[in-house]
Amino acid sequence: DAKTTQPTSMDCAEGRAANLPCNHSTISGNEYVYWYRQIHSQGPQYIIHGLKNNETNEMASLIITEDRKSSTLILPHATLRDTAVYYCIVRVSQAGTALIFGKGTTLSVSS
Amino acid sequence: DAGVTQSPTHLIKTRGQQVTLRCSPKSGHDTVSWYQQALGQGPQFIFQYYEEEERQRGNFPDRFSGHQFPNYSSELNVNALLLGDSALYLCASSLEQPYGYTFGSGTRLTVV
Repeated sequence: DAKTTQPTSMDCAEGRAANLPCNHSTISGNEYVYWYRQIHSQGPQYIIHGLKNNETNEMASLIITEDRKSSTLILPHATLRDTAVYYCIVRVSQAGTALIFGKGTTLSVSS
Repeated sequence: DAGVTQSPTHLIKTRGQQVTLRCSPKSGHDTVSWYQQALGQGPQFIFQYYEEEERQRGNFPDRFSGHQFPNYSSELNVNALLLGDSALYLCASSLEQPYGYTFGSGTRLTVV
C-alpha cells in the first residue's frame, strides 16, 4: 500500500506557482521522497526526488520538512502542459525496490 | 536515444484467451518493472525483472507471468483473461541502482 496522503485535486492559474503537498508521516530514515507525474494517456514521468535536503532541478523544487513527515512539490510557473496527475512516493533507493503508487493529485492548470 | 518502447499500443482480446505484451527498456537500463493501471487509478505494481529473474512481485495472481531476455527486453504474459484485466499496462526500466524509472507509454488491453 502507498505510504503517502495527497489531496485528490488542485487548481492553479497559468503562470502562478503550483504547490502540491504530500504527507508521509511514517517515512523511515532511509526512504526517499519521489515525485512522478502522468499526463493523460502517457506513462508516468520522473520529476524529482530527495532524502532530507531541499532539491531543485529544471522541472521543479522539492521542499521536505525538517521532521520529514511531509513535503511540497513546487512548479514555479505552471503552464497548461503541467496539467497531470502528480504522484508522491516514498521508497528506499536500493535495487529491487519497486515504486508503489497511490492515487495522486490531479492538478488542473487553467488560463 | 530511444526511451522505453512497448508493443502493441492497443489490443483487444476475448475472455479466457492469453496475451503477451512486450517491452524494450531504455538503452543502458537492465531492470524492467511492469504495472497495471485501471481507469482512474494509480499504477499497480505487478513484478520486476533483473538478470532474467523475477526479483519482486506485487499482489497479482499466477495468471500473470513474465520473462526477461539477455538483451534486457521483457514480456508480460496473462493467461485466462478476465474482463477485469482490461487496463493500461505500463513497463518501466531503470538501472540496477535506480534513482529514476523511465516509463513507456503503455499497452491498452481491452478484454471483451
